[in-house]
Amino acid sequence: SQTIHQWPATLVQPVGSPLSLECTVEGTSNPNLYWYRQAAGRGLQLLFYSVGIGQISSEVPQNLSASRPQDRQFILSSKKLLLSDSGFYLCAWSVLRQSGNGNTIYFGEGSWLTVV
Amino acid sequence: DAKTTQPPSMDCAEGRAANLPCNHSTISGNEYVYWYRQIHSQGPQYIIHGLKNNETNEMASLIITEDRKSSTLILPHATLRDTAVYYCIVRMYNNNDMRFGAGTRLTVKP
Repeated sequence: SQTIHQWPATLVQPVGSPLSLECTVEGTSNPNLYWYRQAAGRGLQLLFYSVGIGQISSEVPQNLSASRPQDRQFILSSKKLLLSDSGFYLCAWSVLRQSGNGNTIYFGEGSWLTVV
Repeated sequence: DAKTTQPPSMDCAEGRAANLPCNHSTISGNEYVYWYRQIHSQGPQYIIHGLKNNETNEMASLIITEDRKSSTLILPHATLRDTAVYYCIVRMYNNNDMRFGAGTRLTVKP
């Protein structure tokens, strides 16, 4: 079965410090990978998605970036964090099959980031 | 993707069926209806999805009206652990985006 791992689970970072959140998926190959953010009391916002190694699509202009160095690894980074970067970050995956499957997206447990 | 409308909150007694409605009147023929839930401080959990026919799995049943303009998620025997925010999402299968709205906050009461 497929599993998704995301870490760290929680972190507190000072303004201006760098960020690295890592996500790996096991049990599948060539998945679509996603990073979402959920600010406190708000819905999920798609930040990045990737359909393959080195292929990143950005949905929202910001000081965050994403990379996919390996097929099942997705990294969210920032060189200098802002207070507004605080939130709940979620990695997710899906596999695009025939239409009958519906390309279901599965989420990890999330990472709580507090920028102080 | 079609927009969805859900009630902001609902209550349900423990052991009873929870019926969560969703309106998606602008849904197109090749868009699926997905349901997720999010328990506080956790990632969203996939529940079920469907295109035209009603669907059932170990977690829930999904009833889609014949005109596909609305659907209902049914939790047959709600437990306290089913307390969560439930999201109804409509999207095409090959769309890499999954846009969540505000959802319905379901509270299961003893």
